[in-house]
Amino acid sequence: DAMVIQNPRYQVTQFGKPVTLSCSQTLNHNVMYWYQQKSSQAPKLLFHYYDKDFNNEADTPDNFQSRRPNTSFCFLDIRSPGLGDAAMYLCATSSGTATNEKLFFGSGTQLSVL
Amino acid sequence: AQRVTQPEKLLSVFKGAPVELKCNYSYSGSPELFWYVQYSRQRLQLLLRHISRESIKGFTADLNKGETSFHLKKPFAQEEDSAMYYCALSSSGGGNKLTFGTGTQLKVEL
Repeated sequence: DAMVIQNPRYQVTQFGKPVTLSCSQTLNHNVMYWYQQKSSQAPKLLFHYYDKDFNNEADTPDNFQSRRPNTSFCFLDIRSPGLGDAAMYLCATSSGTATNEKLFFGSGTQLSVL
Repeated sequence: AQRVTQPEKLLSVFKGAPVELKCNYSYSGSPELFWYVQYSRQRLQLLLRHISRESIKGFTADLNKGETSFHLKKPFAQEEDSAMYYCALSSSGGGNKLTFGTGTQLKVEL
């Protein structure tokens, strides 16, 4: 089945130690998104790629970076994780950028910061 | 700025009872609204979108621009409807960027 795959399912890192979360997709979608979801809160968009064009949300901290080396893969880099960055990180894709497009989500990576 | 409000964190109903999950939004433009659902141990997935005007798994949602609402309804709840439901609004501007509500956990009891 075509899908969005996130690895690992659980990630533990130390305070200040860089960490990378990965997302891959077999849908051949143009757009890939990263959402952050803290406990009992709404998923919050961090940034997205349309093809290779990177679009950062205005309130996304500089600590968060992303890379998309090809259509299939997208990475979320947290340069110096703080305790407040502990959250579920969701990757999603869509075929295009029309406002009524369906998003396809991965299962998420639960990040813990010790 | 757009905002989506889901006032209930938890909604508990008995099997066969009607269900209404509330969603209100604020947005200056013409909204595109969605309901996403997350069943236990599964990924977040689209349930329905207002533009399709469809019924999925017996659920419907009507966009009421006057009340800025997009409530999700089902006449008879089933046990398999137990899940987390998120209302979301899409804004334009270089990508289909969703603003989510905080979600409502629906529990259908026997």
